[in-house]
Amino acid sequence: EAEVAQSPRYKITEKSQAVAFWCDPISGHATLYWYRQILGQGPELLVQFQDESVVDDSQLPKDRFSAERLKGVDSTLKIQPAELGDSAMYLCASSPKGQGGALEAFFGQGTRLTVV
Amino acid sequence: AQKVTQAQTEISVVEKEDVTLDCVYETRDTTYYLFWYKQPPSGELVFLIRRNSFDEQNEISGRYSWNFQKSTSSFNFTITASQVVDSAVYFCALKGGTASKLTFGTGTRLQVTL
Repeated sequence: EAEVAQSPRYKITEKSQAVAFWCDPISGHATLYWYRQILGQGPELLVQFQDESVVDDSQLPKDRFSAERLKGVDSTLKIQPAELGDSAMYLCASSPKGQGGALEAFFGQGTRLTVV
Repeated sequence: AQKVTQAQTEISVVEKEDVTLDCVYETRDTTYYLFWYKQPPSGELVFLIRRNSFDEQNEISGRYSWNFQKSTSSFNFTITASQVVDSAVYFCALKGGTASKLTFGTGTRLQVTL
């Protein structure tokens, strides 16, 4: 069964260090999302790609976060420098293109980041 | 603006009991989509169901059923004869017709005990 792959599963990093997460969406899915989920809360969108283009990064803290999807397939989310408040689960999801947004997103297992 | 409210933070039931998880939403879109996801301890969000705003028929899938009522802006989820494996956090989510992102509620943690 096709799934969204994320790595690493867990990451511990020191404050002010750089950290990166990787996501490989389901093959053929044009839309890719990065969500952040703080403990006890629902996921919140950080950035959305349609193929290689960013369509929504309004909630991405651009002074420290960056995301890319160079060939419209896999994606990397980077934080530099990491802050204590960045400790959270980072979830990647993908969905097929079309149907005006009706299609559900399929999520990976996430990367749990702890900043110390 | 879109908003999803899951007022129940945590629910505990004994196995075989029925349980209903509430979801209330707000949107100005006339076309929108509602979703339920399950998040087990492993962390992955598992898609359960999608409904569009034009289809108010209730749906049943095995022990799961969903009640969509546009008049009260609610999309409630019932698990019949709950099992320990149902223990998880359940999220209701909304996607407006003009927006592509999912807006999630804060989730309801369901604990099913023997």
